[in-house]
Amino acid sequence: QVQLRQSGPGFAKSSQTVSLACAISGDSVSSDTAAWNWIRQSPSRGLEWLGRTYYRSRWSKWHNDYAASVRGRMDIIPDSSRNQFSLQLTFVTSEDTAVYYCAREDSIIFDYWGQGTLITVSP
Amino acid sequence: DIVMTQTPLSLSVIPGQSASISCKSTQSLLHTDGETYLFWYLQKPGQSPQLLIYEVYKRFSAVPDRFSGSGSGTDFTLRISRVEAEDVGTYYCMQSIQLPRTFGQGTKVEIK
Repeated sequence: QVQLRQSGPGFAKSSQTVSLACAISGDSVSSDTAAWNWIRQSPSRGLEWLGRTYYRSRWSKWHNDYAASVRGRMDIIPDSSRNQFSLQLTFVTSEDTAVYYCAREDSIIFDYWGQGTLITVSP
Repeated sequence: DIVMTQTPLSLSVIPGQSASISCKSTQSLLHTDGETYLFWYLQKPGQSPQLLIYEVYKRFSAVPDRFSGSGSGTDFTLRISRVEAEDVGTYYCMQSIQLPRTFGQGTKVEIK
């Protein structure tokens, strides 16, 4: 059974950087069939996909994709030694206040989600 | 980006009756590999979204057969037959045929 466990602070001040981690059990962050995603949810934007990271052995490299709304401010960092992946979002504003979820995408199916972390950005 | 539009946005159902939720996409979700990448999730109050249906009609592990999905191309439907109290929450459709992945606005289901 795959489990995703999120950790990280629940608040940040405007213009600071938010960092969240998602620890994986039951699968590997360097799986050849999975991608590891971050999604957020807010009353104003609903569920919003932010980005993903994945490894493919045929290329021997990691690949990241990001939503246009966060590209340039967001980085998703895989960590094979800890079997986890992290989100870093820089220069946050009140618009980034949301519940953040990590999720596994296995063969294009978002099947397992983390428990969610509320990030509140204060002025 | 593909826009996903759900109707209705809320639904009040008597236990034992059925409910249907529609989801329309602005582009076809039929991939060249023959699969259609439309998914349905249920988010129960205070919880993360949980996968119900993948690729239009396939039930995920342990999902009761009261839940069924149908549709093709750009028009899809989730049907819940014999609604139970545990089915309350918000239902979302999602597409994963292209990036960015996008979700419908959600349909809130409550029990009368």
